[in-house]
Amino acid sequence: QKEVEQDPGPLSVPEGAIVSLNCTYSNSAFQYFMWYRQYSRKGPELLMYTYSSGNKEDGRFTAQVDKSSKYISLFIRDSQPSDSATYLCAMSAWYSSASKIIFGSGTRLSIRP
Amino acid sequence: KAGVTQTPRYLIKTRGQQVTLSCSPISGHRSVSWYQQTPGQGLQFLFEYFSETQRNKGNFPGRFSGRQFSNSRSEMNVSTLELGDSALYLCASSFKAGGQETQYFGPGTRLLVL
Repeated sequence: QKEVEQDPGPLSVPEGAIVSLNCTYSNSAFQYFMWYRQYSRKGPELLMYTYSSGNKEDGRFTAQVDKSSKYISLFIRDSQPSDSATYLCAMSAWYSSASKIIFGSGTRLSIRP
Repeated sequence: KAGVTQTPRYLIKTRGQQVTLSCSPISGHRSVSWYQQTPGQGLQFLFEYFSETQRNKGNFPGRFSGRQFSNSRSEMNVSTLELGDSALYLCASSFKAGGQETQYFGPGTRLLVL
């Protein structure tokens, strides 16, 4: 079993819908949780970064962490065609090394105009 | 601040050849990591350099190597290329804040091995 599980999709929703993207994990030591957005033929771009449990909001994006369930989510409100991309979750424990950041496999999202 | 830059952006090689990819991190970032991204395997960690020293290495064969220069620029080399080395190679530079490394990725080098 992978340390981080993410549904690969593809997920297709109409413009304006609320999108929910999720990851589950098995390592209870994870404390830092990130969401990256990757457009086709581009590198991943850091979208959200949260520490421990709770919610964090940034514009149309909300990141939610439930450490008791080992479950993290990214919500996109009022989705736009420009949100069409692959979304990767990533997480790490209290390590100061990039090698300890574990990435999900990514969910491909398509927003239909 | 300029972002992470990678050169070249696209590369076509044949089996058996070797290739060198270059990465310039964000100014002030001393840590550079390399990843291989494929549709089947996702993002796989190759190695990480910090202040010219390899700090960590992933589970890749010795054909994959890298180095970092005093200005934090990094190169990775793949020798004796195989068809399965076709992938997007991503470089990320990172800095530590509040105990956590936050990574910023470059656009990647897309390598095709024929």
